[in-house]
Amino acid sequence: AQSVTQLGSHVSVSEGALVLLRCNYSSSVPPYLFWYVQYPNQGLQLLLKYTSAATLVKGINGFEAEFKKSETSFHLTKPSAHMSDAAEYFCAVSESFGNEKLTFGTGTRLTIIP
Amino acid sequence: GAVVSQHPSRVICKSGTSVKIECRSLDFQATTMFWYRQFPKKSLMLMATSNEGSKATYEQGVEKDKFLINHASLTLSTLTVTSAHPEDSSFYICSARDRGLKPQHFGDGTRLSIL
Repeated sequence: AQSVTQLGSHVSVSEGALVLLRCNYSSSVPPYLFWYVQYPNQGLQLLLKYTSAATLVKGINGFEAEFKKSETSFHLTKPSAHMSDAAEYFCAVSESFGNEKLTFGTGTRLTIIP
Repeated sequence: GAVVSQHPSRVICKSGTSVKIECRSLDFQATTMFWYRQFPKKSLMLMATSNEGSKATYEQGVEKDKFLINHASLTLSTLTVTSAHPEDSSFYICSARDRGLKPQHFGDGTRLSIL
């Protein structure tokens, strides 16, 4: 069984500040991990994915995430927040890349303070 | 990049009617499509997985007769909410996956409101 825990349903940061969104996973096999972003009334857009290659993964829009097996974490970061980053962010895990079932976390709403 | 089109984006209908939502992959062959339901301020819950030409696999607790899924071609899957009731009101999102080791690509969702 696999699961994802996103700590903090709401995160607020000032424009230009560091963004840190937390994700911890549980998986019985080496996981594949994803971060998605959702803007209001839209579907999900893939930000980045971890597929057992490099542990530091760079994605779109300046985001990156680091896979830490010892901590079972896959936190999402961005050095400098932009107003356009305000959205809902979901961490997800699957047991194989491109696989069938994605298990999503409950999401973190990111608010950017001008 | 891969594009998934979902239609309609919003639908409002009376209780008891049936509503069909379409999910199309525009520039790739979607061998597998997924249907999710998202409640307000909640995460996405997988409802069912459909492979082209075969019956959908429903998640536990999802009523097969209530949520009819058809995946008749490599570019189109439909979700029909039959005899809809207010509790079926939700945001429904589809995703599609190409052959091979490819990630899922999501549609923009359909907001269903049952009066």
